[in-house]
Amino acid sequence: GEDVEQSLFLSVREGDSSVINCTYTDSSSTYLYWYKQEPGAGLQLLTYIFSNMDMKQDQRLTVLLNKKDKHLSLRIADTQTGDSAIYFCAENSGYSTLTFGKGTMLLVSP
Amino acid sequence: DAGITQSPRHKVTETGTPVTLRCHQTENHRYMYWYRQDPGHGLRLIHYSYGVKDTDKGEVSDGYSVSRSKTEDFLLTLESATSSQTSVYFCAISEQEYTEAFFGQGTRLTVV
Repeated sequence: GEDVEQSLFLSVREGDSSVINCTYTDSSSTYLYWYKQEPGAGLQLLTYIFSNMDMKQDQRLTVLLNKKDKHLSLRIADTQTGDSAIYFCAENSGYSTLTFGKGTMLLVSP
Repeated sequence: DAGITQSPRHKVTETGTPVTLRCHQTENHRYMYWYRQDPGHGLRLIHYSYGVKDTDKGEVSDGYSVSRSKTEDFLLTLESATSSQTSVYFCAISEQEYTEAFFGQGTRLTVV
C-alpha cells in the first residue's frame, strides 16, 4: 500500500540550512507536497512539485525530487526561529486525497 | 485561510453520543475532505467528497459517516462516539482533482 516516511525530528541553529527528507512508495503520484503546521494551527501549504520535475525553488525553499528512488527533500535556507514547526510530506493519491508522512518536528535554536 | 470554517472548534462529548462536525467553504471548490490527526500517525483520510451527494471512504472510515447536500458544506458524523475517536479533525478543500488542498483550522474532539 501507499506509505510516506519521514524522520521525526531535526534540530538546527538559526542561520543554518535545514534539510527534511521524505520517501514515498506510490510511483504513480503526480504531485508531492510540503505542509507546515505550527502549534495549535491547521496545515499551511508551503510548496509542491510535479512528478516530472527534479527541482523547484521558491525563495528560501528548495524541493528536490528523485523519482527513481522515490525520495523528496525540502531545504530551508537561512533557517529562522519562526520556521520551528512540524513539516509534513504528502503524496497525491487520486481525487486530491493525500497520504501524509508522520511529520518532522523542526526545532531552530538561536 | 482559504475560506474554510470548521465548527465547533472544540468539543467534549460522552461515549455513545452522536456528534456532527461541520465544514463550510466559500471557495466553491468541488472536492472536500475530512482527516484526523493523532500523535504518531500524522493525518489520515476519513472520507472525501468529489461533488454534491458524491462521497467515498478513506483509510479510517469505520465509525464515521458524511453528507454533502450543498457544495459549501461537508458534515462529518460520529454516530456513537468512542474514546478512540478523540482526535483533532481537519477539513480540507481542493478545486480540482490534482490541485493543492487547503486546510481548515481543525476541531479538537474529546470523547470521555
